[in-house]
Amino acid sequence: EAGVTQFPSHSVIEKGQTVTLRCDPISGHDNLYWYRRVMGKEIKFLLHFVKESKQDESGMPNNRFLAERTGGTYSTLKVQPAELEDSGVYFCASSQDPGKGDTQYFGPGTRLTVL
Amino acid sequence: AQSVAQPEDQVNVAEGNPLTVKCTYSVSGNPYLFWYVQYPNRGLQFLLKYITGDNLVKGSYGFEAEFNKSQTSFHLKKPSALVSDSALYFCAVRDRWTGGFKTIFGAGTRLFVKA
Repeated sequence: EAGVTQFPSHSVIEKGQTVTLRCDPISGHDNLYWYRRVMGKEIKFLLHFVKESKQDESGMPNNRFLAERTGGTYSTLKVQPAELEDSGVYFCASSQDPGKGDTQYFGPGTRLTVL
Repeated sequence: AQSVAQPEDQVNVAEGNPLTVKCTYSVSGNPYLFWYVQYPNRGLQFLLKYITGDNLVKGSYGFEAEFNKSQTSFHLKKPSALVSDSALYFCAVRDRWTGGFKTIFGAGTRLFVKA
């Protein structure tokens, strides 16, 4: 069974540019999450999809971040325009049934550097 | 507010010795508790979790963790450390009843095992 995959693995952009990160969850997992780790600190929740619907987007930092999951399969996270403080590692995770303590399986992350 | 504390940024241990990575948490209800590990240039890998029942949980690679409700702790342990255990370890918590399905992470503890 393939795990969670993320693309690209690294992205270096200049301040003001746009970047789109992609996440492919484990097949059959309706729940998809985005997290971010900035400057070696804790990993912070961004948002949670159930299929194509946003269940919880309380962690999205501001309106420069836009997450989509059209068709309930893969998800994209767009940052537009990128700022220096957006640098960090963006993780995607998926799970089957979070209501029962289900494990969230993480992808390898995308390391974003904004110059 | 929900939070996870990993009081040690780094833990050093000699190969063959027992290891402990500490974690305490603060949540309003009964938590689900998790440990993840991140090896260099890899994503987060699930180690073990506490859902209910026996307070001692056994996981992958010989790791175990003990849930202590009175001390609100979930320390990770291994009887005999291996050099290959050197990695970054994250403790995480999810509230059973509130806060949606987001997972709250600690800042991570880097484990160095010397040969």
